[in-house]
Amino acid sequence: DAGITQSPRHKVTETGTPVTLRCHQTENHRYMYWYRQDPGHGLRLIHYSYGVKDTDKGEVSDGYSVSRSKTEDFLLTLESATSSQTSVYFCAINPSGTASSTDTQYFGPGTRLTVL
Amino acid sequence: AQSVTQPDIHITVSEGASLELRCNYSYGATPYLFWYVQSPGQGLQLLLKYFSGDTLVQGIKGFEAEFKRSQSSFNLRKPSVHWSDAAEYFCAVVVESSYKLIFGSGTRLLVRP
Repeated sequence: DAGITQSPRHKVTETGTPVTLRCHQTENHRYMYWYRQDPGHGLRLIHYSYGVKDTDKGEVSDGYSVSRSKTEDFLLTLESATSSQTSVYFCAINPSGTASSTDTQYFGPGTRLTVL
Repeated sequence: AQSVTQPDIHITVSEGASLELRCNYSYGATPYLFWYVQSPGQGLQLLLKYFSGDTLVQGIKGFEAEFKRSQSSFNLRKPSVHWSDAAEYFCAVVVESSYKLIFGSGTRLLVRP
């Protein structure tokens, strides 16, 4: 258990509405990530953060924004949800406090989002 | 660009049989490789990882994987599968200096009683 919680765990919303997903960690890890999981695609990185107010884009960032005002929380926002954003969203943390490619990522339980 | 290929979408094995899940990567430098498992409705759990050294790595739940640089492969194996191993398995590689994981598309394992 990496001390990661995600909320909500399930959400159904309508096209065009804003949605915010929350990832919360209890260990003050520096690196946090948001992925989406879709059949046939595995997990794809949306955005990641390497510190408070420090974020960067992943491979599928269009239509998503993130914020990190506190170390423990990493928020993913869909400004205007579309049906193509129906997916399972996973948050992950990297426990290392230093820059190293060898560190392992640990994943939260996921949020299932359905956009009607 | 780095990529990971898992050529088998589904694999079905009988309980007690051996298992090998394939993973091929495309990466210019020394790769850092991972296998994760995802049980239905659950998050991802790390099975094992390879960074350097011994090319045969042991993981949890009786799994092992072998890194073969000449074949750009990192196949996952288990000598005797249990019904509880039914899950989806993901191979992943770290993009060096970026702390980002690139995942394969996954292999779903079904276990026959």
